[in-house]
Amino acid sequence: NAGVMQNPRHLVRRRGQEARLRCSPMKGHSHVYWYRQLPEEGLKFMVYLQKENIIDESGMPKERFSAEFPKEGPSILRIQQVVRGDSAAYFCASSLLPGQGAREQYFGPGTRLTVT
Amino acid sequence: TQLLEQSPQFLSIQEGENLTVYCNSSSVFSSLQWYRQEPGEGPVLLVTVVTGGEVKKLKRLTFQFGDARKDSSLHITAAQPGDTGLYLCAGEGGTSYGKLTFGQGTILTVHP
Repeated sequence: NAGVMQNPRHLVRRRGQEARLRCSPMKGHSHVYWYRQLPEEGLKFMVYLQKENIIDESGMPKERFSAEFPKEGPSILRIQQVVRGDSAAYFCASSLLPGQGAREQYFGPGTRLTVT
Repeated sequence: TQLLEQSPQFLSIQEGENLTVYCNSSSVFSSLQWYRQEPGEGPVLLVTVVTGGEVKKLKRLTFQFGDARKDSSLHITAAQPGDTGLYLCAGEGGTSYGKLTFGQGTILTVHP
């Protein structure tokens, strides 16, 4: 069984360019979460998506960041006009339908974004 | 805002010693998950605890969820160099449906 897949694993962008990070959830999982891990900081929640819906985007910066999880294809985290402060590891996680009990999240290997 | 205070931040011990990592919060969580993360990789789920007072064992690792579901601990018996890594606790539920609130992490180094 394939786990959560993310690509690219490493991404280098110049200031002002756009970054697109992709995440394919585990088979059978319909809920996707994006987290950011800044240097010397812990993992911080960004956004929670279900197919074609944003459930919770309370952790997303108000500008330049957007996320989608279309009916077909991977989830995309898009960062427009990147700045040096966006340099971080971005992790995607997925879970089964939430319901009673724990909603265990399984993480991908991450995308390391470096803004030069 | 839900917060998880994880301690200690750093732990350096000799092979064979025991250790405990703590996760504390003033908030109630529906569940608490423990992860281990290697450099350059994503967190790997170790265990999920759901019920207050629950204890789960995974070989030499023992996880406990507090009765009030506000705190948790990870105890490792007879640590080995292979246990070296970053350990993370993460709470889910309460006021933050779906999303995980992570502790700051504990960097464990086990010397042979």
